[in-house]
Parts: sequence; structure tokens; C-alpha cells
Amino acid sequence: QVQIVQSGSEVKKPGASVKVSCKASAGTFKTYSLHWVRQAPGQRLEWMGWITAASGNAQYSQTFQDRLTITKDSSASTAYMELSSLRSEDTAVYYCATEFFGSHLFESWGQGTLVTVSS
Amino acid sequence: QAALTQPASVSGSPGQSITISCTGSSSDVGGYDYVSWYQQYPGKAPKLFIFDVSNRASGISNRFSGSKSGNTASLTISGLQAEDEADYYCASRSTTNTRVFGGGTKVTVL
Repeated sequence: QVQIVQSGSEVKKPGASVKVSCKASAGTFKTYSLHWVRQAPGQRLEWMGWITAASGNAQYSQTFQDRLTITKDSSASTAYMELSSLRSEDTAVYYCATEFFGSHLFESWGQGTLVTVSS
Repeated sequence: QAALTQPASVSGSPGQSITISCTGSSSDVGGYDYVSWYQQYPGKAPKLFIFDVSNRASGISNRFSGSKSGNTASLTISGLQAEDEADYYCASRSTTNTRVFGGGTKVTVL
């Protein structure tokens, strides 16, 4: 299984942006795509978007289409999720998860990053 | 995109069998054999249990099984044990290759 380590907790004010990183084992992004999933306190898992292994293209849920950017630095085996125009409802644990090329499943998960949005 | 529909809670006594349903549409669950199931303990990351509708992930007990009929997928836990008490989520590929999760089901062992 791929080992993943996410960046630490963040506290942001409404309207700000947050950038969370997800560092994987070397070479991971050659064959694994990377998804971002969030979970608000006491709520369900919510798929946000992903960046593919093959093309490196990102695709987003319509819910986040206009304020989410997912990128990756394959040389550093690190992916990034940046969410802008934060509001209190964005307070959640953000997870990254790997998908082996074409498998359509979330195989390995990061430990999660708590993002708190508060004035 | 709307979440897949799961019962909020399911309970059973030790040794019993329970089934969790996951209902979507022909655009997700019914359209692809890419339904997966995840177990999540409080404060922990989810863990893959079932993929491609009915395949168990590595190391997962054969007490867990998955199936699908039409737009509804199901996870069955047989021989319920105390350690099975957790939240369970289904997920599916959807049109345009996006993904969607279910609302989650809390399993309680009585």
C-alpha cells in the first residue's frame, strides 16, 4: 500500500484560502491518481475532486468547481488541494486518497487534515 | 451531486447478519460495477473493505460481502462482532468519471 502523509491542521478566517499537501511514496503518481475527500464534523464523506495519474488533469465536483484547485508535483510525490473563499461550512477534515490507475476505488488514505474556518 | 442513499443506522446482535443498502441511479450505482465500501471508526480515516461491488480488499474477513441489483448495492455483515461497530460508506463512479459517496450508515452491535 502507498504511504501518505498530509500536512498539519490549519485555522483560517472566512474569505481566505487554504492549501493542504499530501506526500506519497516516491513514484506513486506514475500509476496512482489522487482524490480529495472531506468530512465536516459529524457528517458524511464528500468527494471533492481528483488529479489523474495518466494525464495530470484535474476534475472537480460541481459543488467546488469554482473555488477548488488540485495540483501535483510528481518529482516531489506531493499533491495539493487549494480551496478558496473559505466559509464556516468548510470546516472539516480533508483527506487525500489514492486510486491505482483505472481501479475506481480509494485504496490508501492520508491521516486527514483538519481545516477550521473561524473569524 | 446528490449523495447515494444509505440508512442512517442499522443494528444487530452479536452473531447476527445485517445488510446495509446503498441506492443511487443509472448514472452511478446502476451504470457501473464500481461500487466500493469503506469502514470508518470515529476520528480515523476510512478503510477500503469492498471494491467492484463484491470483491474483498486484502485482509478483509469473509464475513463481509457485497452485491448489487439494479441501482442498489448492498453490504452484508454476517456473524456480527463488536469490532464491526463503525460507520460504513458506499461509493460509486458516476458519469463523467466523477465519484459519489453515500450518506453513511452507523452500525451498532447490541
